[in-house]
Amino acid sequence: GEDVEQSLFLSVREGDSSVINCTYTDSSSTYLYWYKQEPGAGLQLLTYIFSNMDMKQDQRLTVLLNKKDKHLSLRIADTQTGDSAIYFCAESSSYNTDKLIFGTGTRLQVFP
Amino acid sequence: DTAVSQTPKYLVTQMGNDKSIKCEQNLGHDTMYWYKQDSKKFLKIMFSYNNKELIINETVPNRFSPKSPDKAHLNLHINSLELGDSAVYFCASSQDSGEQFFGPGTRLTVL
Repeated sequence: GEDVEQSLFLSVREGDSSVINCTYTDSSSTYLYWYKQEPGAGLQLLTYIFSNMDMKQDQRLTVLLNKKDKHLSLRIADTQTGDSAIYFCAESSSYNTDKLIFGTGTRLQVFP
Repeated sequence: DTAVSQTPKYLVTQMGNDKSIKCEQNLGHDTMYWYKQDSKKFLKIMFSYNNKELIINETVPNRFSPKSPDKAHLNLHINSLELGDSAVYFCASSQDSGEQFFGPGTRLTVL
């Protein structure tokens, strides 16, 4: 079946790094995504990684993919208060890449 | 310019009523989606349309009927509203299985 799981909460101090983890079940997923949802807003795509990659870096964001363990992580360097939001990982369904299966979401709280 | 817009932003209604939520995208995308986010923030796809044709139809009660009058619009009509329908409904669009752009959401509250 398709199931994507994340820890529910993460609290970090401003300036520290944040690491948000995700496990997924569909080993045939083509793409894996990280979305950010700020309070009262829709989801915004932060970054994505193709399934044949191990790592992708984009400014303060680093995505690591361990296909063997079906584990995806998002590292945010120098976390700022503006990074406080809910972060969702998502996998594209192997039989329909338009269908995204979202994780449970991780609420990141950044304190001064 | 708003890329994906939804109306209304908030909708409060009584059980048993019929309501519609509208979605429009001005990105020229060929695929549009409806997602439901419950009170625990779980987000799940409901439907997708590609060029006005239904592509994805998850196990959603048939009280929910999407309608796509043209490629830029995907409306969601809900009949006989129930308490459990209370959620935030997000519309999204994409082109060629690319990035999905989300609307701001419609918070539906059924009393």
